[in-house]
Amino acid sequence: DAGITQSPRYKITETGRQVTLMCHQTWSHSYMFWYRQDLGHGLRLIYYSAAADITDKGEVPDGYVVSRSKTENFPLTLESATRSQTSVYFCASTPIPAGYNGYTFGSGTRLTVV
Amino acid sequence: AQKVTQAQTEISVVEKEDVTLDCVYETRDTTYYLFWYKQPPSGELVFLIRRNSFDEQNEISGRYSWNFQKSTSSFNFTITASQVVDSAVYFCALKEDQAGTALIFGKGTTLSVSS
Repeated sequence: DAGITQSPRYKITETGRQVTLMCHQTWSHSYMFWYRQDLGHGLRLIYYSAAADITDKGEVPDGYVVSRSKTENFPLTLESATRSQTSVYFCASTPIPAGYNGYTFGSGTRLTVV
Repeated sequence: AQKVTQAQTEISVVEKEDVTLDCVYETRDTTYYLFWYKQPPSGELVFLIRRNSFDEQNEISGRYSWNFQKSTSSFNFTITASQVVDSAVYFCALKEDQAGTALIFGKGTTLSVSS
């Protein structure tokens, strides 16, 4: 199905482990984003990408790594997970910034670090 | 620096009441875009509306309406005759034309509509 898919939907990991959250979109949108949602903070930008092989930091990038070797995929890696990274993570995409149809979000990944 | 403030953390209303969700933004840019998203209890983020800074015309879509006032830097969202299905977290977001490509979100307002 066309759309933006995040996997896994739920993940529990231990402190110090590396974990990768996947994001795949089928529209060939140029722009992709990773946000985290925490109570009291709303959604905060972690990283974004304007095209394949072009990525940049957002508001809260520490402890995260991204890559974008293909337009359709934008994985987010927590190199050494910490409890403070327990959150709901959303991936989003858009063909152009501030387009009429807004930014489309995936269903989210709920990550718990124990 | 761009910023979005949703001062109302939580609002509770009874069905059929009208409710307004406030959004105040800060930007130095003359061209910018404002958005509203809905996050129902199921967790997904649903796009509701996009407005650009040159279009101050109010928008109405069914029971939803949006009031954009540049003079007060506000982009408020009103639900008329609220329903239980309107219960959700609502986010206001801003994108400046000259500052990156991402949306900057407010912290959200949780709306609870009881029957």
